[in-house]
Amino acid sequence: GQNIDQPTEMTATEGAIVQINCTYQTSGFNGLFWYQQHAGEAPTFLSYNVLDGLEEKGRFSSFLSRSKGYSYLLLKELQMKDSASYLCAVSSTGGFKTIFGAGTRLFVKA
Amino acid sequence: KAGVTQTPRYLIKTRGQQVTLSCSPISGHRSVSWYQQTPGQGLQFLFEYFSETQRNKGNFPGRFSGRQFSNSRSEMNVSTLELGDSALYLCASSSPEQGRDYEQYFGPGTRLTVT
Repeated sequence: GQNIDQPTEMTATEGAIVQINCTYQTSGFNGLFWYQQHAGEAPTFLSYNVLDGLEEKGRFSSFLSRSKGYSYLLLKELQMKDSASYLCAVSSTGGFKTIFGAGTRLFVKA
Repeated sequence: KAGVTQTPRYLIKTRGQQVTLSCSPISGHRSVSWYQQTPGQGLQFLFEYFSETQRNKGNFPGRFSGRQFSNSRSEMNVSTLELGDSALYLCASSSPEQGRDYEQYFGPGTRLTVT
């Protein structure tokens, strides 16, 4: 079967760095997504990792280890607007479907 | 370019009724996926369509069905509504451009309440 685990909630301080972890078990792994979702809004695409390693995109970076079934999203220089849910999702090869984790609610405090 | 649009945005139905939701993808996008989002279960994959063909479906009962038209617009239908079907229904489209077909763009969703 497929399983994706990520922490339910995290709290961090404005200006700090936070790492949101995601572990997964899936057959036919193709790639791993991270999405951001503000309350009452649709998810927005942040990153997609296919190969092992770190990919940096501005204040956000995403890391993948396929052998460990592990990924993390790193947010630097946190801003209040980063308070949102962060969804880890896995796409399966040939399946044309994406399985989402339950999401991590991040609270950024002043 | 206009984003993904979904209609209606809000809907209230009674148990036993049926409902049809509509999704118009970004112009040029041919893949449309549907998801159900609830506080308890998170985002769950319903099905994915490409060029009018369903390529995959999630683990939902047969009451949930969908289709895609030649202009890539998609509809999903839920028959014999149950209270547990109350959720936000999201659709997402992706570009056929090679190397970017993984990047899904979500619509604002349809909030369905079943009473």
